[in-house]
This record gives sequence, structure tokens and C-alpha cells, in this order.
Amino acid sequence: AQSVTQLDSQVPVFEEAPVELRCNYSSSVSVYLFWYVQYPNQGLQLLLKYLSGSTLVESINGFEAEFNKSQTSFHLRKPSVHISDTAEYFCAVIVPYTGTASKLTFGTGTRLQVTL
Amino acid sequence: DAGITQSPRHKVTETGTPVTLRCHQTENHRYMYWYRQDPGHGLRLIHYSYGVKDTDKGEVSDGYSVSRSKTEDFLLTLESATSSQTSVYFCATGLASYEQYFGPGTRLTVT
Repeated sequence: AQSVTQLDSQVPVFEEAPVELRCNYSSSVSVYLFWYVQYPNQGLQLLLKYLSGSTLVESINGFEAEFNKSQTSFHLRKPSVHISDTAEYFCAVIVPYTGTASKLTFGTGTRLQVTL
Repeated sequence: DAGITQSPRHKVTETGTPVTLRCHQTENHRYMYWYRQDPGHGLRLIHYSYGVKDTDKGEVSDGYSVSRSKTEDFLLTLESATSSQTSVYFCATGLASYEQYFGPGTRLTVT
């Protein structure tokens, strides 16, 4: 079975500084990878995803993540954060093409706290 | 965003009482899911459905049951609520298992 590890439960950062949120996964077969964002008192929203093709994927609000198969990682980065990026970020993995048995496995989340 | 609503949004109930949470979608998505979110655990899958009357268990299904009698509705029932079921419950839907859209959540407190 697949698993996801987010080593950092909290990441404090100053506004306009760069940030990296780490995600490592474990799977014996190929996977799809996702980052979700959860703003306070809201549900999760899909931020970006890697299914196949280019290993670097980007979101519309400046985040990017790179799939690294050799290191089994999918770290999320942003070169300059804003106060509005304060949220909890979840990495998730799924083994595709297993029919109705395909299920997302989530990491425990990383709380990004951006301050002035 | 997919049209997903959850009701109620907040509920306080007593130990031992049955509770039903409702998830309603307007997107005609095949897949529907119930998760619970607890600090330090992320999201954990309770039950899911891959079609009308087709459901299966997730990793934390004990004490929960589900029903899906029509495409748009997925009900989660706590047979006899316990304090360990105090949590935030999220419904998600998708056309494919890897495309999930989440509802706003239901905060349940069991006293």
C-alpha cells in the first residue's frame, strides 16, 4: 500500500520569503501525486497535480512542485509567499488504474504560517 | 468548483445517539467519499461509493455506515455516537477516483 510523509507539521516564514513544503511518498508502483490547500474553516482545494509528463507542475497562484521519482518526493515550493498563503497544505498520493479500489492517501499536513 | 453541500454544518450530540450527516452534489459525479479530519492524522477515509448502492469501507469505518440510494446523495450514519467520533467530516466527489472535490465540512461534537 502507498503512504505519504510530510515531515514538517508547521513552517513559519516571513512574507516575500521563499518556502518549501516537503512531501515524500512510498509505493511499489507508479502513482499520481497531489497537493491540496485548506484555508481556515474551509474544505480542501486542489492546488496542483502530477499525473504524467513534465515533472514540474505549477499552480495559478505561483506554487510549483517537482516530481522526483528517484527520491520519491513531490516537494511544494513558492519563491515569494504572501500573507494570504497562510493555510494548511496536504500532500496526497493514489495508485491509478486499480478500478474502484483506487483511493487517495493523505499526509498529515503542513501548516504554513506567513507573517510580516 | 463542484456543487457540493454538507448538512448540517455543525452539530452537537450526546454519546449513544445516532447521527446522520448528508452530502449532496449537483455534478453527477460517480465517486463519493466520506473523510474525517483530526489533528495529527490528516484526512482518513471512512467509506466511499463508486455508484448508486455501491459502497465500500475505508481505513476507519468501524462505527460508521453509509448509504447511497441516488447519485446526488451520500449519507454517513454514526450508529451510536462516541466521543472518539468528535471530528470534522468532509465529503468529496469526483468523476474519477483521483479527481476529488471537497465539500465545506461538518463539525461534529459528541459530548
